[in-house]
Amino acid sequence: QVQLMQSGSESKKPGASVMVSCRASGYSITSHAIIWVRQAPGQRPEWMGWINTNSGSPTYAQGFTGRFVFSLDTSVRTAYLHISNLKADDTAVYYCARAGIAVLGKGVSDYWGQGTLVTVSA
Amino acid sequence: DIQLTQSPSFLSASVGDRVNITCRASQGISPYLAWYQQKPGKAPDLLIYAASILQSGVPSRFSGSGSGAEFTLTISSLEPEDFATYYCQHLNGYVRAFGPGTKVDIK
Repeated sequence: QVQLMQSGSESKKPGASVMVSCRASGYSITSHAIIWVRQAPGQRPEWMGWINTNSGSPTYAQGFTGRFVFSLDTSVRTAYLHISNLKADDTAVYYCARAGIAVLGKGVSDYWGQGTLVTVSA
Repeated sequence: DIQLTQSPSFLSASVGDRVNITCRASQGISPYLAWYQQKPGKAPDLLIYAASILQSGVPSRFSGSGSGAEFTLTISSLEPEDFATYYCQHLNGYVRAFGPGTKVDIK
């Protein structure tokens, strides 16, 4: 069955970097884009952008440019989110999701990872 | 950017109740609207996409309707497992924002 397995919780100091991984199983990772979503405590989810898993080309939402990098290693069926120069406001659960359903060319997230909590605190 | 609002933001209901949740967009977005259910500590689950198409495996008590800039998620008869927060999301444009959410709680 389709699964997205994310790496475990991270606790970091401001200014540090973190890498969140998302390993796909049960389907070919190159078949569907991977979407990244951030959810701060008690807040609505925020759509961060997506990575084309065929070309490796990322697209970032406004507010997620510069310090956020999406990447991919298809040989291990894994997508990555790298965040540099962490700030306290980056404290959130980060989700990867598969854009498995297309609505007139727009991807809908049908399967989600379990989420990775990133805590940024001095 | 397209903005979404949801109403109500909080809803207290009983098992067996019919529930309607509305999502309004700042401009027309048909049919680029999805609904998700989220329980505490869990990832969102897709319920409805393209405004009215039920995701595979989702119970038929859930339905979606609407067009243009106004959409509704209906739960025909609440079950205990439906107490959760519901989000709409638009898929149009560069930033695919989520609505602020509607929390459905037990009366």
